[in-house]
Amino acid sequence: DTAVSQTPKYLVTQMGNDKSIKCEQNLGHDTMYWYKQDSKKFLKIMFSYNNKELIINETVPNRFSPKSPDKAHLNLHINSLELGDSAVYFCASSTQAGGYNEQFFGPGTRLTVL
Amino acid sequence: DQQVKQNSPSLSVQEGRISILNCDYTNSMFDYFLWYKKYPAEGPTFLISISSIKDKNEDGRFTVFLNKSAKHLSLHIVPSQPGDSAVYFCAASAKGTYKYIFGTGTRLKVLA
Repeated sequence: DTAVSQTPKYLVTQMGNDKSIKCEQNLGHDTMYWYKQDSKKFLKIMFSYNNKELIINETVPNRFSPKSPDKAHLNLHINSLELGDSAVYFCASSTQAGGYNEQFFGPGTRLTVL
Repeated sequence: DQQVKQNSPSLSVQEGRISILNCDYTNSMFDYFLWYKKYPAEGPTFLISISSIKDKNEDGRFTVFLNKSAKHLSLHIVPSQPGDSAVYFCAASAKGTYKYIFGTGTRLKVLA
């Protein structure tokens, strides 16, 4: 009974390709996030949606585009993949936006760009 | 500019002893702090949190201490168990923002 799920778990692709990562939460939360964990293990926020509205958009190349079709889903599309995009991407959700709410994380998607 | 720092990348402790994980921050606007635990190939899971109006919060074997003047927090695990072996992240948030800033993590190994 997974709370926050991501697909795929592993993604290996060539430079220049376009790929998507999907995230779903069944917790009834209003807010969802995408994080990137790079090779140095920094876990950095990329985007956040609250009730399908974008509320956080960090300095991320515009090749990355999040899409939230409904409150339970937040997908991440990446165009023209580059070697530096290789990382683990985590989706998370919380009951509401705001810094006082515990976030529930998915298992991560390990993206490898060759 | 890393606003949340965990300067010890790894820590080894004997089973039954105390584990102390440290975290320093630079932003004085941070007023809420959390600790997350992460096992390999899994996402981080919430462990314990503390608001800046407190200096201590306890939950079972886990206690978080906050020293605002030193901009320092620590997580104490007593007694440490082999199942506690994981990477521990601290995270901080400022009122009015929608995000947490994470440290780089400390890998704890509890030796049986």
